[in-house]
Amino acid sequence: GQQLNQSPQSMFIQEGEDVSMNCTSSSIFNTWLWYKQDPGEGPVLLIALYKAGELTSNGRLTAQFGITRKDSFLNISASIPSDVGIYFCAGQLIQGAQKLVFGQGTRLTINP
Amino acid sequence: DADVTQTPRNRITKTGKRIMLECSQTKGHDRMYWYRQDPGLGLRLIYYSFDVKDINKGEISDGYSVSRQAQAKFSLSLESAIPNQTALYFCATRGNYGYTFGSGTRLTVV
Repeated sequence: GQQLNQSPQSMFIQEGEDVSMNCTSSSIFNTWLWYKQDPGEGPVLLIALYKAGELTSNGRLTAQFGITRKDSFLNISASIPSDVGIYFCAGQLIQGAQKLVFGQGTRLTINP
Repeated sequence: DADVTQTPRNRITKTGKRIMLECSQTKGHDRMYWYRQDPGLGLRLIYYSFDVKDINKGEISDGYSVSRQAQAKFSLSLESAIPNQTALYFCATRGNYGYTFGSGTRLTVV
């Protein structure tokens, strides 16, 4: 089936550092979504992107929908302890039932 | 109350047992989904439903079945649980503004 390649799989950073993660695919998507998952909870939507080339911010988070529609990145600036968690990208397919395909996740750990 | 409620939150069951995971939503959405999460694999789609009469297999439906009892309820069953079905299971709904996930059911098959 379709796959999203998300990298890096894990990150260990110092508080205050910026973070960058990305997702690529061989498939074309009409929507890119970025989620965060805290321990014991379901994914929560951070940013949604609907147009190729779109750059959207949500506080310290910035995400972009790649021009080719096959990739997206998420940046977090000036990380804080509550940013710890697992971040997932998800792409919605253009064809068929428009299902969501998820990346493998990026586990973010922050050292105080 | 949560928009999407999953029960139970945790369950340990024995190999060969039948088990049902339940999901209910108050969002009024027609579209509901069941995903499975395994470490390093992200979320994978098991089944999805666009309304009470519309049930569709996802990418990993083998060993699972579902029932859409009402617009608000979508249950997932493991007819004969096996250890490699040990995972975190999420139910989700989809509306005009995206997906809403439940808090998950952690299932362990021993």
